[in-house]
Amino acid sequence: GENVEQHPSTLSVQEGDSAVIKCTYSDSASNYFPWYKQELGKRPQLIIDIRSNVGEKKDQRIAVTLNKTAKHFSLHITETQPEDSAVYFCAANFGNEKLTFGTGTRLTIIP
Amino acid sequence: DTAVSQTPKYLVTQMGNDKSIKCEQNLGHDTMYWYKQDSKKFLKIMFSYNNKELIINETVPNRFSPKSPDKAHLNLHINSLELGDSAVYFCASSRGTSSNTGELFFGEGSRLTVL
Repeated sequence: GENVEQHPSTLSVQEGDSAVIKCTYSDSASNYFPWYKQELGKRPQLIIDIRSNVGEKKDQRIAVTLNKTAKHFSLHITETQPEDSAVYFCAANFGNEKLTFGTGTRLTIIP
Repeated sequence: DTAVSQTPKYLVTQMGNDKSIKCEQNLGHDTMYWYKQDSKKFLKIMFSYNNKELIINETVPNRFSPKSPDKAHLNLHINSLELGDSAVYFCASSRGTSSNTGELFFGEGSRLTVL
C-alpha cells in the first residue's frame, strides 16, 4: 500500500544540539521526498526536498539523506534554535499524482 | 496578495448542517488539493483537481463534494456534518499534475468544529 512511516512522533533536544527524524516508504517507484515544517497554528511549508537521483542534499543547517535500497530518508537539523520548534512532516509520492505524508514529528528545542 | 487563500478561517456549526469552504490560488498553478488534518495532526489527502478535472478522490464519504469552477478555485461542500468531521481543512496548489513537480503551497487552513 501507500505508506510513509515517520519516527519519532515527538523529539526534544537541547538548543545547539542536532535533531534527526526518519521516514520509510513502501513503494520502490517513489522518486520525490519533500519535508514540510508546520509551526503552531500555521500552514505546512516546504523546507527541503530530495529526488531519487541524489543521496544527500543540504541547505544551511538542514540536510536530507536518502537510501533508495532501504527505502528510507532522514531529515537532519544541526545547531538547533528555538525557532526550529514545530511539527515536521516527511512525504513521498505514489504513482503520478499522490503525495502521501508521514504522521509528523513534534520537535521541541529546549533553551 | 496571498498565494492560496481559503475562507472561512473558522467555522463552528451543529451536527447535521451543510457547510462550504472556499479556496482560491493566484499562482497560476494547474493542480489544487484538499487535505484534512485531524486532532493528532495527521495530514491526509482528500481530493485533487487538475484544470478542473478530478484526479484524486480518496476514500472520503460522499457527504464531501468538491467543486472546481475554474483552475484557480476549488471549493469543498460538506453535507450532514458529523462530529468526526471536526478538523482543520487545508487547501493547497502545485504546478503541473505530477506529485513530483515540486512544492505544495498551502492555504492558512479552515478550522471546522462540529458541535
